[in-house]
Amino acid sequence: QKEVEQNSGPLSVPEGAIASLNCTYSDRGSQSFFWYRQYSGKSPELIMFIYSNGDKEDGRFTAQLNKASQYVSLLIRDSQPSDSATYLCAVNRNAGGTSYGKLTFGQGTILTVHP
Amino acid sequence: DAMVIQNPRYQVTQFGKPVTLSCSQTLNHNVMYWYQQKSSQAPKLLFHYYDKDFNNEADTPDNFQSRRPNTSFCFLDIRSPGLGDAAMYLCATSRGQGPDTQYFGPGTRLTVL
Repeated sequence: QKEVEQNSGPLSVPEGAIASLNCTYSDRGSQSFFWYRQYSGKSPELIMFIYSNGDKEDGRFTAQLNKASQYVSLLIRDSQPSDSATYLCAVNRNAGGTSYGKLTFGQGTILTVHP
Repeated sequence: DAMVIQNPRYQVTQFGKPVTLSCSQTLNHNVMYWYQQKSSQAPKLLFHYYDKDFNNEADTPDNFQSRRPNTSFCFLDIRSPGLGDAAMYLCATSRGQGPDTQYFGPGTRLTVL
């Protein structure tokens, strides 16, 4: 079992729809969860992070975390063609505080938003 | 603007010819990371520095070395590049506390001929 699993896609949604991206992780000690967007040939760009169970909203993006199910998701509302990219889920084992941890990335989900 | 800078953006080298990639940051972050990312794969952590403390990943080949002469700069040295080392090399930084978000530089695309 991979440490962080994502459906590689491609996920295709029409413009204006909600795109739902999912990620599961195996390490119950994981504490912080990140979503990055990566355009082809570019570096990962942080969208948002979450470390508490529940939902966290930032503009058109909502991250959802369920630690009991070891599941984190990203919803993109009103999807635009410019959202077409690979979305990487990353998991950090250490909790907030003075310690830090390393990120483990999923393989990424390719999202295509068509006009 | 505070940022992570990588130079060069594109590097072409010959098989076996040493190459050095550079990363600098103006974020004053404690931690600097080097990742290797091949096409359609997740970024793979090679090593990282917390301040001057070097941390190597167990599966990072000896061919890869790193230096961090000061807080702002970090270098990746590939001593004898092979064809399999062609990849995007990503530098990232983080504060080293809290949720510890990592911020990535633009990357260096390495081609090995």
